[in-house]
Amino acid sequence: GDSVTQMEGPVTLSEEAFLTINCTYTATGYPSLFWYVQYPGEGLQLLLKATKADDKGSNKGFEATYRKETTSFHLEKGSVQVSDSAVYFCALSDQGAGNMLTFGGGTRLMVKP
Amino acid sequence: EPEVTQTPSHQVTQMGQEVILRCVPISNHLYFYWYRQILGQKVEFLVSFYNNEISEKSEIFDDQFSVERPDGSNFTLKIRSTKLEDSAMYFCASSPRQGTNTGELFFGEGSRLTVL
Repeated sequence: GDSVTQMEGPVTLSEEAFLTINCTYTATGYPSLFWYVQYPGEGLQLLLKATKADDKGSNKGFEATYRKETTSFHLEKGSVQVSDSAVYFCALSDQGAGNMLTFGGGTRLMVKP
Repeated sequence: EPEVTQTPSHQVTQMGQEVILRCVPISNHLYFYWYRQILGQKVEFLVSFYNNEISEKSEIFDDQFSVERPDGSNFTLKIRSTKLEDSAMYFCASSPRQGTNTGELFFGEGSRLTVL
């Protein structure tokens, strides 16, 4: 079945550091890929998405590129801020699965001033 | 901005008791979902609901679970006889349409269930 694997956290960075959170997936079809973010005390919210190979999703300075050859969708940001501290979830939606999402385990990011 | 709201935020119950978790989806959304996350584990799909019936459910969603949209606004998850392993954070979500390329579900803050 489908699955998503992402790096375990927590990831602790200083402000303005470069961020990479790795995500790899397995899927039977041609999935769409997503990053969701959960800020403290809030629900999960969509951060960015990519629906086909080589697409780049971007939002709020974050970006991720759909790499079919490596089945990856790594999240990057060039300069993190304290306000980026949150839990980040990689997810996929496979064709034929409606809006059912398969999530990775989540990676907690802590950014120190 | 419209949001999905869930109640209660935290519920503690005894094993074997019935629990109802409530959700108010975004008003013009048509698809509704429940996911759960056991502490330290992945967020897992439980069930999706459309047009007053279940459209998909996972293996987790056994006979102990049920969902209902009792009126035009609420969407509930009932666990008939809770077990220790039901302890988790339960997330409600809604979306305006179904489509494998959208994937944008709008999630609530979650309801933490602790079964003693």
